[in-house]
Amino acid sequence: EDKVVQSPLSLVVHEGDTVTLNCSYEVTNFRSLLWYKQEKKAPTFLFMLTSSGIEKKSGRLSSILDKKELFSILNITATQTGDSAIYLCAVVGYGGATNKLIFGTGTLLAVQP
Amino acid sequence: DVKVTQSSRYLVKRTGEKVFLECVQDMDHENMFWYRQDPGLGLRLIYFSYDVKMKEKGDIPEGYSVSREKKERFSLILESASTNQTSMYLCASSLNGGGFKGTDTQYFGPGTRLTVL
Repeated sequence: EDKVVQSPLSLVVHEGDTVTLNCSYEVTNFRSLLWYKQEKKAPTFLFMLTSSGIEKKSGRLSSILDKKELFSILNITATQTGDSAIYLCAVVGYGGATNKLIFGTGTLLAVQP
Repeated sequence: DVKVTQSSRYLVKRTGEKVFLECVQDMDHENMFWYRQDPGLGLRLIYFSYDVKMKEKGDIPEGYSVSREKKERFSLILESASTNQTSMYLCASSLNGGGFKGTDTQYFGPGTRLTVL
């Protein structure tokens, strides 16, 4: 059965800290791995990763994929209170007619001032 | 910008009622999806559609049905709502249809928080 596991489940840090969020997966017909940030409403897209070892970067956020070990990490440096959110990892697998996303349960990040 | 809208942000219904959740996207996306999100369980796929009138079951289709009569609109139907269907329902869409074409990124609507009493 396809599964995506995120760790830790929750994390509390102080502003300025660096955090690393983990996502491991077992998904047949892997296509890509996506990271989303979810605040009070719907998830918003952060990164899509398809190739191992190539870092994607956007401001203080970066992410990398290891397709051999089947995991990805999301790094946030110099955290701010606005980074507080649930971070969702989703893996895209080819499901026959189209692609399907398998989501992890998310990591709840709380950044304290 | 991709825009995915859902008909209601909050909805309260009684057990046994028929419930319709509507989702509309304005970017001509082929794929549309319905998820429910529950604490500790993450997002779980209920149904998805890769073309008009086409639908496939996701991981938890029981108790739900869907309708896609027009490309931009994907409806989730609870035939007889039950208390265990109290949840946050998220609709999403993505570009291009099946196979290895198109992007994988799904764009989400704002969600509908449904409470069944």
